[in-house]
Amino acid sequence: LAKTTQPISMDSYEGQEVNITCSHNNIATNDYITWYQQFPSQGPRFIIQGYKTKVTNEVASLFIPADRKSSTLSLPRVSLSDTAVYYCLVGDMNTGFQKLVFGTGTRLLVSP
Amino acid sequence: DAGVIQSPRHEVTEMGQEVTLRCKPISGHNSLFWYRQTMMRGLELLIYFNNNVPIDDSGMPEDRFSAKMPNASFSTLKIQPSEPRDSAVYFCASSFNRGQGRNEQFFGPGTRLTVL
Repeated sequence: LAKTTQPISMDSYEGQEVNITCSHNNIATNDYITWYQQFPSQGPRFIIQGYKTKVTNEVASLFIPADRKSSTLSLPRVSLSDTAVYYCLVGDMNTGFQKLVFGTGTRLLVSP
Repeated sequence: DAGVIQSPRHEVTEMGQEVTLRCKPISGHNSLFWYRQTMMRGLELLIYFNNNVPIDDSGMPEDRFSAKMPNASFSTLKIQPSEPRDSAVYFCASSFNRGQGRNEQFFGPGTRLTVL
C-alpha cells in the first residue's frame, strides 16, 4: 500500500478556496486516489476519487498530475461547516478489496 | 436508507468485562469493515468481511478481539476480556464491492468505548 503524506493542519477563512496537497511517491499502476472527510464525533465520509487528470463533483475537485505522485483536493469557497479532518488514501481498486489505510489526515480549520 | 447503524453509541465498562459492539450495514452492501480510532494510532482497519466471510483480519490486535458476521445484515465485534488500552471509538463501515472500481465505504456513527 502506497504511503501518503499530507500537511497536518491548514487554516482558512470563509469564502476562500482551499487546496490540500497529498504526496504519494510510491503509487502503483492500479492505485486510485481517494479523499475522505471526517467531522468531530462522526465517521469518515467519502468526498471524491480519481485515477488521473481532474475529477470534479458537487463538493470538490481533485487534480492529479501526469506522474500521479501527488494529488490536490480543492474545496471551492469553504464555509465554517467545512472544518474537518481530510484524509488522502491510495489503494488498488481492481482487486475488489479496497483496504483503506488512513494516515494522520489534514485538520482544516475555517474561521469567519 | 438509515445508513450504517451501530449500537451502543457509548459503552463504559470495567477492565476484564466482555464487550460486544454491534453493526447493521446498509441493505444490499456485501462488504463490512470494523475500524478503531484513537488519538495515538489514528484510524485503523481491524477486519474486513466480504459476503459474510472474513477476508482480512490482520488488523485485529490480539486474541481478545473477535468478529462475526452471521448474516448479511448483522455483525459483532467482541472484546473479551477488555482492557483500558482498548478504549477508543469503533467504527463499522459497509460498501458494495463491485469487483473493481469505486468502492465507497459508508461509515456508521461509531461506538465510543471506555474501559476503566
